Amino acid sequence: GDSVTQMEGPVTLSEEAFLTINCTYTATGYPSLFWYVQYPGEGLQLLLKATKADDKGSNKGFEATYRKETTSFHLEKGSVQVSDSAVYFCALRSDYKLSFGAGTTVTVRA
Amino acid sequence: EAGVTQFPSHSVIEKGQTVTLRCDPISGHDNLYWYRRVMGKEIKFLLHFVKESKQDESGMPNNRFLAERTGGTYSTLKVQPAELEDSGVYFCASSQGGGGYEQYFGPGTRLTVT
Repeated sequence: GDSVTQMEGPVTLSEEAFLTINCTYTATGYPSLFWYVQYPGEGLQLLLKATKADDKGSNKGFEATYRKETTSFHLEKGSVQVSDSAVYFCALRSDYKLSFGAGTTVTVRA
Repeated sequence: EAGVTQFPSHSVIEKGQTVTLRCDPISGHDNLYWYRRVMGKEIKFLLHFVKESKQDESGMPNNRFLAERTGGTYSTLKVQPAELEDSGVYFCASSQGGGGYEQYFGPGTRLTVT
């Protein structure tokens, strides 16, 4: 079945540091890929998505590229802020069903 | 426009008791989904409604879980009797359509079974 593996946390960074969260997937067919974010006390929010190979999703300074050859969708941000502290989930969608990774908790210190 | 709402935000019950979680989707969204995250692990799909019909309940862990969506509006997820391993965060999501439509998530209900 479909599955997503993402980098385990927690990850602690200083403000303005570079952030990378690795994500790889296993799926039949050609799934759409997503990064969701959960800020403290809030629900899951869609951060960015990519629907086909080589697509790059971007939002709020975050980027991820759909790499079919390596079955990966790594999340990157060049300069994090304290407000980026959250739990990040990588996910894929086959048809309507979302399959998530375990989540990576990111804490950014001032 | 109101987002997906869930009630309660947190529930603490004893093993063997019953708990009912509620989800109100975004108005007009026919598709409603339940997911849960147990023990800080991955978020897993439980089931999918289209209006009042269950389209896919392949993720429901066992028959102690019962989901309903009477009238195709809000949905409830009942756990009876609750076990320790049911503790986790239960998320509800809704979308205008299936397939390629974005799913909008609620804040989740944190269930603690002691």
